[in-house]
Amino acid sequence: IAGITQAPTSQILAAGRRMTLRCTQDMRHNAMYWYRQDLGLGLRLIHYSNTAGTTGKGEVPDGYSVSRANTDDFPLTLASAVPSQTSVYFCASSPTGEETQYFGPGTRLLVL
Amino acid sequence: AQSVTQPDIHITVSEGASLELRCNYSYGATPYLFWYVQSPGQGLQLLLKYFSGDTLVQGIKGFEAEFKRSQSSFNLRKPSVHWSDAAEYFCAVGILTGGGNKLTFGTGTQLKVEL
Repeated sequence: IAGITQAPTSQILAAGRRMTLRCTQDMRHNAMYWYRQDLGLGLRLIHYSNTAGTTGKGEVPDGYSVSRANTDDFPLTLASAVPSQTSVYFCASSPTGEETQYFGPGTRLLVL
Repeated sequence: AQSVTQPDIHITVSEGASLELRCNYSYGATPYLFWYVQSPGQGLQLLLKYFSGDTLVQGIKGFEAEFKRSQSSFNLRKPSVHWSDAAEYFCAVGILTGGGNKLTFGTGTQLKVEL
């Protein structure tokens, strides 16, 4: 069982380019989340999805979009990347009725 | 809105010494509280959690935390630190929302262990 996988592991991206960060879980968790981690700011919630077909905005959603076509996948898209989106991005998931979130290994993104 | 404060950005302790990492939260109702640990270049691993009941919770790797409602605190403790405990520690408060759980994290405490 892999748990949560994220791809790519790291990426350097030119400003203005479109980028999709992939997240896949094999635990059949209903809820999934995207966070960004920045030095001195901890982790901040970007978007979340309580179940397939539904999504919601977190604390810092601007410039990001998500979709949840099925239970396993929760991609995060940057439509037109900007340098302020340089960060480490973590995907997480949790079972319905279970408050614990399980985290993926992260994607390190540098926008130049 | 909920918030979490970890007042110590960096802490250095000697191996074998005791450890306490502070966490204060702000939330209107009874919170769900978590401590996660992050080793360099890694994701977050759950150390322990508090939902209800006994206010002293035990976690993995010999860690424990105590929920004190009167102080709005959830401090993490370990009686004897090992060099492998060097990492960054995050406290988080969660609220349930329609089947999911939205976490708000503190800014983290970086732990250094001197041999």
